[in-house]
Amino acid sequence: DAEITQSPRHKITETGRQVTLACHQTWNHNNMFWYRQDLGHGLRLIHYSYGVQDTNKGEVSDGYSVSRSNTEDLPLTLESAASSQTSVYFCASSGTSGRTDTQYFGPGTRLTVL
Amino acid sequence: AQKVTQAQTEISVVEKEDVTLDCVYETRDTTYYLFWYKQPPSGELVFLIRRNSFDEQNEISGRYSWNFQKSTSSFNFTITASQVVDSAVYFCALEGSGTYKYIFGTGTRLKVLA
Repeated sequence: DAEITQSPRHKITETGRQVTLACHQTWNHNNMFWYRQDLGHGLRLIHYSYGVQDTNKGEVSDGYSVSRSNTEDLPLTLESAASSQTSVYFCASSGTSGRTDTQYFGPGTRLTVL
Repeated sequence: AQKVTQAQTEISVVEKEDVTLDCVYETRDTTYYLFWYKQPPSGELVFLIRRNSFDEQNEISGRYSWNFQKSTSSFNFTITASQVVDSAVYFCALEGSGTYKYIFGTGTRLKVLA
C-alpha cells in the first residue's frame, strides 16, 4: 500500500546543531509539504514543493530549508537548531488531480532542541 | 488574506451527547476547499472530509455530519451520539483554489467522558 513515512520519529538535539528530518512518500504525489504543530497555533506551513527541483517558503520558513531531488523525498533541514524549533513536525503529500487533492500526512517527528 | 477560526479551544461532553465543532473561514477566492481532520491521542492526522465552495449540500457519514454555509462562512462539524473514541483534536482547514496549500485553524480538543 502507498504510504508516507517520516524519520526519525523522535529526536533530541542541542542548540546550534544541524538536523535533518526525512519524509518519504510512495503515493507518487507531486506536492509535498512540511508543517510544524505547536500548542495554540495549530499546524503552520514551513516549506512546500510542487515537484522535483521546486521548493517554496511557507508561513514560518526562517531557519529551515528543503530540497527536492526526486518525487518521493522532501527532507527538512534545520541549519542551526534553536530551542524555538522544539515542536512536532508533520510531512504531507497530495496529488494534482483537478483543482485540488487531499493532503495525507505522515506520522510526525517530535523534535526537542536542548 | 485567508484565515480559519476555531473559537472553541476545548469541549467536554458526556458519552451519547451530540456535539458541534465550529469552523469559520475567511477568503476572497470564489473557488476554495474546506477540510476537516482528526488527530487522536496517538498523534496522527486523519482526513475526514473535503468540501468545495460550490457544493453547499450537507453531508452525513454515519454519526458525523457537516453543515456548510457560505452566507456565514462556516463549515461546522457535528458528532451525533458521541463516543469515547471520538476524543481527539479536530482541525478545520482551508485551501485557496489552485494553491494546494492549507491554512489550518488552531483546532478544537474534544473530550468525551464515559
